[in-house]
Amino acid sequence: SQTIHQWPATLVQPVGSPLSLECTVEGTSNPNLYWYRQAAGRGLQLLFYSVGIGQISSEVPQNLSASRPQDRQFILSSKKLLLSDSGFYLCAWSAFSRGRKANEKLFFGSGTQLSVL
Amino acid sequence: AQSVTQPDIHITVSEGASLELRCNYSYGATPYLFWYVQSPGQGLQLLLKYFSGDTLVQGIKGFEAEFKRSQSSFNLRKPSVHWSDAAEYFCAVGNNQGGKLIFGQGTELSVKP
Repeated sequence: SQTIHQWPATLVQPVGSPLSLECTVEGTSNPNLYWYRQAAGRGLQLLFYSVGIGQISSEVPQNLSASRPQDRQFILSSKKLLLSDSGFYLCAWSAFSRGRKANEKLFFGSGTQLSVL
Repeated sequence: AQSVTQPDIHITVSEGASLELRCNYSYGATPYLFWYVQSPGQGLQLLLKYFSGDTLVQGIKGFEAEFKRSQSSFNLRKPSVHWSDAAEYFCAVGNNQGGKLIFGQGTELSVKP
């Protein structure tokens, strides 16, 4: 069966420090991978998605970057965190398809609560 | 334990018919409830949310949801479904402070012409 692991669960970082959040998927190959962020008072915002190794699409300009060094590994990074980067980060995967379909089922990781102080 | 259950994995309705997607939750604190739709080219889109006040909330695209504390439910409804409503729908519980969000398994909606 497929599983998705995301870590750490919580993280407190000072402003200006680097960030690395990791997400791995098991039990499937060539998944579509996603990073979302839930900020206070807002809904989920899609940050990045990837349809293959080294293929990253950014949905919004920001202080973050993503990488996919292996088929089932998706990393969210920042060189220097800002206060506004605080929030709940969620990794998700879906079965491979060309692009994103309307009815593709997403499977979510458990999330990372990031507090930037 | 905190959890969200969407009992229906797949629902098919005829265009023009009414729709109800079920969502039940288990949450230790005051729940803040959300419905999302997986829209083409946009990722997850927020349909509506409930924080407090009137338990019947109106959302975008003609959707509404009713919070029933006694039943721990937050069912999504639409009086008349359009073919463009075919999508994957997710219920979620969390807080509005940017905190942890717990998703249901999703319900796939198909619309027959």
